[in-house]
Amino acid sequence: DVKVTQSSRYLVKRTGEKVFLECVQDMDHENMFWYRQDPGLGLRLIYFSYDVKMKEKGDIPEGYSVSREKKERFSLILESASTSQTSMYLCASSSSTGVHNQPQHFGDGTRLSIL
Amino acid sequence: GDSVTQMEGPVTLSEEAFLTINCTYTATGYPSLFWYVQYPGEGLQLLLKATKADDKGSNKGFEATYRKETTSFHLEKGSVQVSDSVVYFCALSDPSGFQKLVFGTGTRLLVSP
Repeated sequence: DVKVTQSSRYLVKRTGEKVFLECVQDMDHENMFWYRQDPGLGLRLIYFSYDVKMKEKGDIPEGYSVSREKKERFSLILESASTSQTSMYLCASSSSTGVHNQPQHFGDGTRLSIL
Repeated sequence: GDSVTQMEGPVTLSEEAFLTINCTYTATGYPSLFWYVQYPGEGLQLLLKATKADDKGSNKGFEATYRKETTSFHLEKGSVQVSDSVVYFCALSDPSGFQKLVFGTGTRLLVSP
């Protein structure tokens, strides 16, 4: 089974701090994704990566950056955390084979609170 | 851009009732369609998928048919159980590449004994 592991289930940080969310997958997937989930808004794509050192903006990249130095690891960075970034963050990965019909596999999420 | 619309929740049913959760989409090209479930405090898990028109995805008693003519992918189950009380997300895979998913806002199902 695919395992996507997010480093923290719960995280509390202060406004202005630099925050790192880590995600590791164990299935050698090419694609990795970061979403945030908010009530009434569903999941929104922040950034994704289709290869090591490659990154693409999603729908809401403002205030975030990402890093993918190794294939199995995809980090989300909040450069200067704000209260509007309090949310549930979900990481996912998928294989590139079969073009666009491969499902994404999700981690359990990190609930981030910015005070 | 691509979008997914699903019915607002919560949907409340009695055990053994018939379930339908509506999902419609707009997309350029021919997306793949997915239903995911989310258990409390967890990430999303794939429930079923369909990759082309008229395909039927099925799993654990749930079914959905890819209807290109109505741009729909409604989720159905003949007899729901209390354990089906979770949140359901409809999603499409952007056919332009990179397998990005576009999600609906989610529908919470509440099944009472």
